Amino acid sequence: QVQLVQSGAEMRKPGSSVKVSCKASGGAFNSHAITWVRQAPGQGLEWMGTIIPIISSANYAQTFQGRVTITADKSTTTVHMELSSLTSEDTATYYCATGKMGAFDFWGQGIPVTVSS
Amino acid sequence: EVVLTQSPGTLSLSPGERATLSCKASQSLSNSFLAWYQQKPDQPPRLLIFGASNRATGIPDRFSASGSETDFSLTISRLEPEDFAVYFCQHYTNSGVFTFGQGTKLGI
Repeated sequence: QVQLVQSGAEMRKPGSSVKVSCKASGGAFNSHAITWVRQAPGQGLEWMGTIIPIISSANYAQTFQGRVTITADKSTTTVHMELSSLTSEDTATYYCATGKMGAFDFWGQGIPVTVSS
Repeated sequence: EVVLTQSPGTLSLSPGERATLSCKASQSLSNSFLAWYQQKPDQPPRLLIFGASNRATGIPDRFSASGSETDFSLTISRLEPEDFAVYFCQHYTNSGVFTFGQGTKLGI
């Protein structure tokens, strides 16, 4: 059974960066693309980017181009997402997700990230 | 870029009633990669429907979905208390771009 387990909550100051992780098990790492989606408090879902871990090929939403980097560590079957130049508008819960046919069957538990001075 | 517009923004119904949620695309979707999710507070979204009309594993048959090109809908035939939540539609393009609708809140 596919499982995605994410790292813990983070707090950052404006202008800094945050790097969060998503450990995949149950075959997800080798057979699925893994996507990052964020959700600001009380708001909708926003696609950030997707990586195919076995070839480490990533594509990013235009909104985040130049500010987000998604990487995959094959040795630990973990995907990382780093977001830079943080502002208060980046305060959100960050999810990793995976699935097939363009849909997300499996989600991580979410990582709350707070950006505040 | 495809924009998905969901309506209504809020839908107030009672248990036992039928709910119909709409998701309209700004342009015709060339594939059937349209999905629906349910989200409850402090939980990740749960996949209900993929491929526009296919129920995901374990989803009760009171949930159904249909649509093509620019108009898609999710129907819950007889609302159960646990169905009151926020619902999102989502599209995936062949070029690897994902888009979400803004959500419909289904409340009592």
